[in-house]
Order: sequence, then C-alpha cells, then structure tokens
Amino acid sequence: QVQLVESGGGVVQPGRSLRLSCAASGFNFSSYGMHWVRQAPGKGLEWVALLWYDGSNKYYGDSVKGRFTVSRDNSKNTLYVQMNSLRAEDTAMYYCARGVATASGFDYWGQGTLVTVSS
Amino acid sequence: SYVLTQAPSVSVAPGQTARITCGGYNIVSKSVQWYQQKPGQAPVLVVYDDSDRPSGIPERFSGSNSGNTATLTISRVEAGDEADYYCQVWDSSTDHPNYVFGLGTKVTVL
Repeated sequence: QVQLVESGGGVVQPGRSLRLSCAASGFNFSSYGMHWVRQAPGKGLEWVALLWYDGSNKYYGDSVKGRFTVSRDNSKNTLYVQMNSLRAEDTAMYYCARGVATASGFDYWGQGTLVTVSS
Repeated sequence: SYVLTQAPSVSVAPGQTARITCGGYNIVSKSVQWYQQKPGQAPVLVVYDDSDRPSGIPERFSGSNSGNTATLTISRVEAGDEADYYCQVWDSSTDHPNYVFGLGTKVTVL
C-alpha cells in the first residue's frame, strides 16, 4: 500500500534552516508529482510546493517562494524540502502528498512532521 | 488570487444528510477536491474531480459542482463522520500552478 513518511521536523530559531524528507513506498515514485502542504496549529491547509515526477519543474506558494527549495531523489524514493530563512509563521505540520494530476489534488498524504520556529 | 469560501461549521443529527458548500467564482470551470481531516490525523481525499470517489470511500460521500458553488454531501451521517472538511482547487489564473484550499468546515454530529 502507498506509504509516505515525513521526517526532519523540530524546533529551529528564526532565520535558520531545516531540511525535511519524505520517504515513499508502495507505488512507482518516479511517475508521480509530489507536493508539500502545511498546516499551522489550529489553522487550515496551505499548499507549499510541487515537484514534477522527473524533477523538471518546481512550483511554490507565494509565502515560501525564494526561501524553500523542493527536490527529489527517485533512486531513493524520497522527496525533500530545504527551508531557509525560517520565520515564526512557518511553524506548522508539514505533510508530503502524492499528486493526482497537475490540475487536480492530492490522493495520499503522510502523517506529517512538525516544524516549530521559535527563539 | 482565487478564493474559496466555506462555512465554519455545520451540525447534523445522525442518520440525516450534511451538505457542505464551497463557493468560488465560476468554480464550475474547475476540478474540485474534498478532504476529510479528523483531529490529530492527516487529511484524507474523499472526493476528486468534483464527484468521483477514491476506492474505499463510502458511497454516502458525494460531490457536485455548479455555477459558483461546489457541494459535498454526506448521506446517513454517522458519528465517525465528525471532522473538518476542506475543499480544494487548482488555480491556473496565475503564471504558475497554485493549489487553493478553503478554510474548512467543521462537521459536528449531534
């Protein structure tokens, strides 16, 4: 069955960096676009980034553009997001999710990893 | 940017029908997804492409999309349906893909 397992979350000071990972299994990872979606405590869902199946195209939400970089290693079935210049407002649960199709949504989600930005 | 509007909460008695709406300009031209999120859990896709159900999702969950409003209907509501429900679309009006969520509707089973 499809499994997505995020890791790398934790407490980080404002202005510092953090890299999250998402290990995928149970499907042909290299055939799917993959997303990061986040949820601030007590708030709704916010799309963060999309990386095409082959890594050829990357797209970001306005709030993280220029600070976050998404990447993948298809040989390791793993998705990453490098988060730089972190702000308090980046505090959230970060989910990786498999894309259904570019013009659609997300059909499988991981359980998330919590990032807390605080001094 | 594109905005999706959802009512903050809906209450429904067991066995009745819950209707959760998602408003957006000409939303009928977009593909709408719905996600269920229970406390402490990741979201689960319950409807995609307006009205299709992923495997494993009960037939009690159905979706429709017309004009400026998309609707998720939960028939014969059960206690286990209590959750937050989010609508989502892909907005192509900008120069890059943007995936937009509504703020969510909390469904309470009385």
